[in-house]
Amino acid sequence: SQTIHQWPATLVQPVGSPLSLECTVEGTSNPNLYWYRQAAGRGLQLLFYSVGIGQISSEVPQNLSASRPQDRQFILSSKKLLLSDSGFYLCAWSTGGEQYFGPGTRLTVT
Amino acid sequence: GENVEQHPSTLSVQEGDSAVIKCTYSDSASNYFPWYKQELGKGPQLIIDIRSNVGEKKDQRIAVTLNKTAKHFSLHITETQPEDSAVYFCAAGSNFGNEKLTFGTGTRLTIIP
Repeated sequence: SQTIHQWPATLVQPVGSPLSLECTVEGTSNPNLYWYRQAAGRGLQLLFYSVGIGQISSEVPQNLSASRPQDRQFILSSKKLLLSDSGFYLCAWSTGGEQYFGPGTRLTVT
Repeated sequence: GENVEQHPSTLSVQEGDSAVIKCTYSDSASNYFPWYKQELGKGPQLIIDIRSNVGEKKDQRIAVTLNKTAKHFSLHITETQPEDSAVYFCAAGSNFGNEKLTFGTGTRLTIIP
């Protein structure tokens, strides 16, 4: 069966510090991968998606970037965090349209 | 691009009663409509979905209906239980290509014991 992992589960970082969030998927090959952000009490905002290794599409201009170094690995990064980057970051994978979400990373920028 | 509207934003029902959440979409090319349940502090969980070639789908106490002409779809939960309390999201998109989904703004469902 397929599983999706995200780490860390929670993170507190100061403004201006770098960020690296990792997502890995097991049990499937060549999935589409997605990064979403969810502000407190809000909906899901798509940040990046990838249909293959090295293929990244950005949905929202910002100080975040994404990379896909391996088929089942998706990384979200920032060189300098802003207060507005705080939120719940969710990774998801899909095949045939069905998207499955990971457990999320709670990021607080102080 | 696609736009999904979801109503109501909050819903309270007595335990055992039914709950209905409604969504509309704008892009007639969308052909895949999933529903997600999100509990506090967790990632959304896919609970049911429907594709555009089907008008209704049921899974135990949960059902989804789709009206392609009117571009709206609904989630129906019958015989509600306290564990149904959560935030529910609808979404619309495609099941091919980049398989991007556009999400509604969510409905906070509270089941009153």
